[in-house]
Amino acid sequence: GDSVTQMEGPVTLSEEAFLTINCTYTATGYPSLFWYVQYPGEGLQLLLKATKADDKGSNKGFEATYRKETTSFHLEKGSVQVSDSAVYFCALSDPNTGNQFYFGTGTSLTVIP
Amino acid sequence: GAGVSQSPSNKVTEKGKDVELRCDPISGHTALYWYRQSLGQGLEFLIYFQGNSAPDKSGLPSDRFSAERTGGSVSTLTIQRTQQEDSAVYLCASRWTTHSYEQYFGPGTRLTVT
Repeated sequence: GDSVTQMEGPVTLSEEAFLTINCTYTATGYPSLFWYVQYPGEGLQLLLKATKADDKGSNKGFEATYRKETTSFHLEKGSVQVSDSAVYFCALSDPNTGNQFYFGTGTSLTVIP
Repeated sequence: GAGVSQSPSNKVTEKGKDVELRCDPISGHTALYWYRQSLGQGLEFLIYFQGNSAPDKSGLPSDRFSAERTGGSVSTLTIQRTQQEDSAVYLCASRWTTHSYEQYFGPGTRLTVT
């Protein structure tokens, strides 16, 4: 079945450090891929998405590239800020399963000044 | 409405009691999803609706859990005879259709079973 595996946390970085959060997926069809972010005390928000192979999603300095050959969608940011502290979820939506969403377990990021 | 709303925001109940959690999706969104987020865990899919029908109920953890949606809008998740392991944040999300890319999440209902 479909699934998403993402890097275990928690991750602690200093401000302006480079961030990578790994995400790999298994899907029966041709899924769309997403990163959602959950700031403390808030609901989940879409951060970025990619709907086909080789697409790059980007938002707020974050980016992720849909790599079909490695079934990956790693999240990166060149210089993190304290305000990026949140939990990040990788997810996929597979048209073969009614476009149900499958989420990873989440990676908690803390950025220290 | 402006976004997905859920009520109550917090619910404390005694073990063995029934609870109802409500979700109001964004107006016009035909697809609605329920998830459970336990402390330190990811999102666990429970059920989704396309219109008023639920094509996939496979995520419901037990027969104590049920959900319905009426008028293609409001949905209610009911947990009967609550157990302590039911304590979690219950999240609702809606999409324009099941073919839309983005889900919009509500703020969740934090359920505590004592």
